[in-house]
Amino acid sequence: SQKIEQNSEALNIQEGKTATLTCNYTNYSPAYLQWYRQDPGRGPVFLLLIRENEKEKRKERLKVTFDTTLKQSLFHITASQPADSATYLCAPWTGFQKLVFGTGTRLLVSP
Amino acid sequence: DVKVTQSSRYLVKRTGEKVFLECVQDMDHENMFWYRQDPGLGLRLIYFSYDVKMKEKGDIPEGYSVSREKKERFSLILESASTNQTSMYLCASSPPLTGASMNTEAFFGQGTRLTVV
Repeated sequence: SQKIEQNSEALNIQEGKTATLTCNYTNYSPAYLQWYRQDPGRGPVFLLLIRENEKEKRKERLKVTFDTTLKQSLFHITASQPADSATYLCAPWTGFQKLVFGTGTRLLVSP
Repeated sequence: DVKVTQSSRYLVKRTGEKVFLECVQDMDHENMFWYRQDPGLGLRLIYFSYDVKMKEKGDIPEGYSVSREKKERFSLILESASTNQTSMYLCASSPPLTGASMNTEAFFGQGTRLTVV
């Protein structure tokens, strides 16, 4: 069956370092993949979308890569700040109108 | 500013009650989604709708039904609430998810925290 996996353990890093989050998927081939940010008690907010023919996408301090051979996307936040602390969700597009998400990885950036 | 509005932020219901969760979007989006979110389980898709009066089961539809009579409104119905339906419920909307509309994103409501006692 189709599966989307994100590291369930929280990622703790120091301010100023680069945070790298992983999204792995199995048993399907998404044409694009989205990343969202979710703060406690709130709905997710869209951050970035990367297409299957794009190896890398950047937006300010955010960078996303998409490796269709490895079936993996990496999400990087450079020069991380405490305000980046949140849960980050990936959503590979399955090819239908259905939108499903990984379980999310919680990022904690300490001063 | 785009908006997805859920009717209640917090809700407490009794076991066996029929519960309606309402969601309204003002973006003229074709797609609407209902999710529940539980610690350690992430966002799980209950039902979605890609057009008025159309509905599709998501990954966990048991115990739920939906209604979409108008494009802007998508209702989630718990026919007979049970304690294992205590959760955070999130509604979202998006334009059609097709290869042609590659810049689509989903917009979420603020969530409804439902407690069934």
